[in-house]
Amino acid sequence: SQQGEEDPQALSIQEGENATMNCSYKTSINNLQWYRQNSGRGLVHLILIRSNEREKHSGRLRVTLDTSKKSSSLLITASRAADTASYFCATGQLATGGYQKVTFGTGTKLQVIP
Amino acid sequence: GAVVSQHPSRVICKSGTSVKIECRSLDFQATTMFWYRQFPKKSLMLMATSNEGSKATYEQGVEKDKFLINHASLTLSTLTVTSAHPEDSSFYICSARVGDVSNQPQHFGDGTRLSIL
Repeated sequence: SQQGEEDPQALSIQEGENATMNCSYKTSINNLQWYRQNSGRGLVHLILIRSNEREKHSGRLRVTLDTSKKSSSLLITASRAADTASYFCATGQLATGGYQKVTFGTGTKLQVIP
Repeated sequence: GAVVSQHPSRVICKSGTSVKIECRSLDFQATTMFWYRQFPKKSLMLMATSNEGSKATYEQGVEKDKFLINHASLTLSTLTVTSAHPEDSSFYICSARVGDVSNQPQHFGDGTRLSIL
């Protein structure tokens, strides 16, 4: 099963509105990362939040992390049509051998209507 | 900075052909690279972790002899899909991390769409 489950699976909003995506996970983590993927392309890293952090901002992006609830949220404020993409959360955990293993969630497909 | 180049971007070939995909870190050295497979409208599935100078670590259920990984230098990892069949058709994406520090993001290539006829 997926380490990260995202909610909602799809989201459609009007330009200018805020978009909120949630991610839940099952095991302890070192960090949680959010990525964006445009259709048919690779992933672009957005934000990494460490397990001892609760909130992080980057431009119009705000990420929260609640390790007690094993959940995270990504808020995109004042959305633009160009924000249309799929967004994935990914949990970073230490694997055998000491390297970081990253497991991706199921993703949220965001559509921003101009 | 932290650019990862993946080549080719698209491959269409006949069943039985072996296909090699390259993943290069252009402006940094990557001790570790990762290979993912993504099915349509699905998440990324980690196939293997590629370590420079040593054997790759494969995830459960991934055939080592089917998906050959070579990480010969700090800037290049290759994935070879041997004797590809239609069920191997998928979107393959590589990524690399800057350094081995745990709290670092991964940087992704643009993916390779493999279509086996």
